[in-house]
Amino acid sequence: EPEVTQTPSHQVTQMGQEVILRCVPISNHLYFYWYRQILGQKVEFLVSFYNNEISEKSEIFDDQFSVERPDGSNFTLKIRSTKLEDSAMYFCASSDGRSSYEQYFGPGTRLTVT
Amino acid sequence: DAKTTQPPSMDCAEGRAANLPCNHSTISGNEYVYWYRQIHSQGPQYIIHGLKNNETNEMASLIITEDRKSSTLILPHATLRDTAVYYCIVRVELRSGYALNFGKGTSLLVTP
Repeated sequence: EPEVTQTPSHQVTQMGQEVILRCVPISNHLYFYWYRQILGQKVEFLVSFYNNEISEKSEIFDDQFSVERPDGSNFTLKIRSTKLEDSAMYFCASSDGRSSYEQYFGPGTRLTVT
Repeated sequence: DAKTTQPPSMDCAEGRAANLPCNHSTISGNEYVYWYRQIHSQGPQYIIHGLKNNETNEMASLIITEDRKSSTLILPHATLRDTAVYYCIVRVELRSGYALNFGKGTSLLVTP
């Protein structure tokens, strides 16, 4: 069964450093999303991406964040200058855009900012 | 955006049916109800969704009241592996696609 994959599973970085989180969505999917979950809190929507551009972003997704689909398979989330409060699980999701619209989530990347 | 209300926690004996309720009294006529679950810190897993009619798949059944103000997710024969946080979600339409507005969910504990 096709699945969304994410790398790395755990990333440790120092405050102020740039990080890139990588996702490989399901191959025939057209819509891509990033969510995050701070430890002990709820899953929060960050951004949606369709047709090679951001479709919508939440208040959390400020200028420090960017997304890119550099080739036909990868979907990346970049945090330009990490802060302690960026420590969280980051989940990538994708959907095929048909009427059912289920979003399939990856296993997540745990980002720890020290 | 329609909000959902779920009990914070529930217990269920292994092999019995788990019935997880959800209130979504502000839901509008064209908004779908989705159910996801999250086992420990894994990625959320899609379970089922519906609009008006009751739905069933290999994982669960979804019963939506006629006025659509509430729904119940039914796991017919709960197993220990069904222990997870279950989220009832009314999706938020975007320009393209939609966002899932996760709440705190119901923490279901299946006991032997």
